[in-house]
Amino acid sequence: EAQLVESGGGLVKTGGSLTLSCEASGLAVDTHTMNWVRQAPGKGLEWVSSITSSRAEIYYADSVKGRFTVSRDNARNSVFLHMTSLTSEDTAVYYCARGRYCVSSSCLPPWFDPWGQGTLVTVSS
Amino acid sequence: AIRMTQSPSSLSASTGDRVNITCRASQAISSYLAWYQQRPGKAPKLLVYGASSLQGGVPSRFSGSGSGTDFTLTISGLQSEDFATYYCQQYATYPLTFGGGTKVEIK
Repeated sequence: EAQLVESGGGLVKTGGSLTLSCEASGLAVDTHTMNWVRQAPGKGLEWVSSITSSRAEIYYADSVKGRFTVSRDNARNSVFLHMTSLTSEDTAVYYCARGRYCVSSSCLPPWFDPWGQGTLVTVSS
Repeated sequence: AIRMTQSPSSLSASTGDRVNITCRASQAISSYLAWYQQRPGKAPKLLVYGASSLQGGVPSRFSGSGSGTDFTLTISGLQSEDFATYYCQQYATYPLTFGGGTKVEIK
């Protein structure tokens, strides 16, 4: 079954760090923009970050810029989100989602399909 | 950032009803709009991209329309499995942004 599987979520103290992983199986991600989207409890969807297949383009939401770092390992069909200086505002389910096919150095922004099942990050003092 | 405004934020409908959900962008985004369905406790699922292109496997009772700043998702003949929350998303430019969601509930 083609799927994205996130891992690495959990409980972390305010100011702490955490790294999320997303591994793809049964679908190609090395040729696609990969993305992180989060959803705070009871709230809507918020785009967090995107990284193109060549890593030539990386984008962040203002709310996480300077604190989160996205990376990918195409050989391992995986993408990562390293989160630092976490606050309660970062408490959310974090989803990994595949974006457009793009192997050039400049890619159009993506819609998201498919999505992983999500991993919960809880930040508490 | 482009702001996406959905309306209504919630609605009550019966099985078999026709439902329209609207999404307005704060500036023109051509047809760079997607719609997602999210059932409780589940990940979002892509329904429509390019404002009107139905994703493979999505029932034909779902349809999308619009361009520029005003968009509509229509469900023709609501089924029990369609009671969920729906989100629009613009992908014309970064930062990517979502609407606030429309919860479709059973009347």
